[in-house]
Amino acid sequence: SQQGEEDPQALSIQEGENATMNCSYKTSINNLQWYRQNSGRGLVHLILIRSNEREKHSGRLRVTLDTSKKSSSLLITASRAADTASYFCAITGTASKLTFGTGTRLQVTL
Amino acid sequence: GAGVSQSPRYKVAKRGQDVALRCDPISGHVSLFWYQQALGQGPEFLTYFQNEAQLDKSGLPSDRFFAERPEGSVSTLKIQRTQQEDSAVYLCASSFHRVNTDTQYFGPGTRLTVL
Repeated sequence: SQQGEEDPQALSIQEGENATMNCSYKTSINNLQWYRQNSGRGLVHLILIRSNEREKHSGRLRVTLDTSKKSSSLLITASRAADTASYFCAITGTASKLTFGTGTRLQVTL
Repeated sequence: GAGVSQSPRYKVAKRGQDVALRCDPISGHVSLFWYQQALGQGPEFLTYFQNEAQLDKSGLPSDRFFAERPEGSVSTLKIQRTQQEDSAVYLCASSFHRVNTDTQYFGPGTRLTVL
């Protein structure tokens, strides 16, 4: 079963706009990670945020984590057509496995 | 090869056939994971190895699913007597450290279609 839920399920924006995706989960975590998946391809790791961190940046990506609300958000600034993909959050608890959310499908149009 | 590789990339099986899916992790990576991804869903955990030891197989959906990593490197996921509900993308991932805060690197997956 999938612990996380992403919101929205689908998002369509124009190039240059910012995209925000949210992830909610149910259990306590050690860390939360965001992955990108292009159509028909494997998952690419974007960023990892630990449970004792509140915000992290990597290039055009900004991730926040609120453990009290059991939620995280991924912000992609100045989006590009190449950012079109599905984005998944994944949590790690006491076990090493990743538990993924349902994903957000992002479409960036020119 | 710098990344995780999987073979075959695509597999079509008739219902009832056995299949074997291969994963070559990144050299030196201790941990190896298998996930199953149904169409339009996020990946779901199947099983986890630390070197050659299978430490967690709680996600394997039935006893028709079997995974091994005999020498602590290459891993094979075997599905016996395939059923239509086994149709999915099977993803392999590896990570370097034992601790559960390490990044997992994914292969391209094997798309299995059971007719």
